[in-house]
Amino acid sequence: DTGVSQNPRHKITKRGQNVTFRCDPISEHNRLYWYRQTLGQGPEFLTYFQNEAQLEKSRLLSDRFSAERPKGSFSTLEIQRTEQGDSAMYLCASSPTGRDNEQYFGPGTRLTVT
Amino acid sequence: DQQVKQNSPSLSVQEGRISILNCDYTNSMFDYFLWYKKYPAEGPTFLISISSIKDKNEDGRFTVFLNKSAKHLSLHIVPSQPGDSAVYFCGGSSNTGKLIFGQGTTLQVKP
Repeated sequence: DTGVSQNPRHKITKRGQNVTFRCDPISEHNRLYWYRQTLGQGPEFLTYFQNEAQLEKSRLLSDRFSAERPKGSFSTLEIQRTEQGDSAMYLCASSPTGRDNEQYFGPGTRLTVT
Repeated sequence: DQQVKQNSPSLSVQEGRISILNCDYTNSMFDYFLWYKKYPAEGPTFLISISSIKDKNEDGRFTVFLNKSAKHLSLHIVPSQPGDSAVYFCGGSSNTGKLIFGQGTTLQVKP
């Protein structure tokens, strides 16, 4: 399978714990995006990378959130001191060079903070 | 500030008929508009796009219309099939490539 993969698919954590999600984009896609989706809403942009450089961060991304793409391949999204309001589906997408509008999404990681 | 709005949360049509999904936007800087389809437990899947300099794009059963003066776009599916039942998101994109999505419309196509 050469699509975007995300791990884990589901994560249940207690408030105050740290969590980390991983995204493996389609091979050689240079742009990687993170979105968050809550019930009844469309995906909301969080941040994106071009290769290893993080080029934009949404104001939704508080200082408890950090994302990395160390070698320009896979990416991680870490949430520190989780809050119940962080419960959502976290989606990763990638796009090939020069075709930013063709974003291929992974299945998402469902986070539940209890 | 919701830059993209889908005012109809749901739509039900009969198989074989036309489905029309609507979307309004406020950001004049969008240079592309896109439609994505989402099935339960899956990520959104790209369906069709249109450049802001065009007013129509067609791909098989799917046609997207853009009315820039009204800041409105629509997706037409003809003929509708039960497999089209899903949540449809419209989105706008500026030159950074990040997508701004609407809230989604759940389409149900009845056999």
